[in-house]
Amino acid sequence: AIQLTQSPSSLSASLGDRVIVTCRASQGISSALAWYYQKPGKAPELLIYDASTLESGVPSRFSGSGSGTDFTLTISSLQPEDFATYYCQQIDSYPPTFGGGTKVEIK
Amino acid sequence: EVQLVESGGGLIQPGGSLRLSCEASDISVSHNCMSWVRQAPGKGLEWVSVICGGNVIYYEDSVKGRFTISRDNSKNTIYLQMNSLRAEDTAVYYCARDRPTRQGAANAFDIWGQGTMVSVSS
Repeated sequence: AIQLTQSPSSLSASLGDRVIVTCRASQGISSALAWYYQKPGKAPELLIYDASTLESGVPSRFSGSGSGTDFTLTISSLQPEDFATYYCQQIDSYPPTFGGGTKVEIK
Repeated sequence: EVQLVESGGGLIQPGGSLRLSCEASDISVSHNCMSWVRQAPGKGLEWVSVICGGNVIYYEDSVKGRFTISRDNSKNTIYLQMNSLRAEDTAVYYCARDRPTRQGAANAFDIWGQGTMVSVSS
């Protein structure tokens, strides 16, 4: 199975900060990557798929980039509702696998 | 309103069985790929199984031979029959709709249920 490594595993940031989360795949996956965010006790929510396509209704401060093995999720200006855990997921092949998560906390 | 509602979780002894259900509203389980994704307490997400039209079915390796995914189109519901349960199966189990994308052979998940907790313990 394809392994995904996210970094950092956690970070502290302030409102308005630019935040970058990275995801590295154990083999090339073209642009077959999705990003989710999850609040405690809630189901994950899809943010981005195909590495850079924003899901309907997701604010434009979220963006994704990358291809092959290296990907990034960028939040251009952190808002109060963005404090959560973020996961990447490869959709290149079965089984679809997730990264270990990045917890974004308030500084 | 588009909604997925899971049920059937609970506390079960190792080696026991449970059947989870996921009832869909305003989406058709027969016209979509539907997956189960689980999350152990304090841990990350793990895909478990998918069922698609034409009864295309895949399983994660650790549940093959123990879990069975199925669908009842008349009830617009999918199921996960879980046998020979182990402590490591303890998790919140989410039902999710697969979102086909232009890239890749697998899918992202765009609609999720609220989850149902399965605890395997003696």
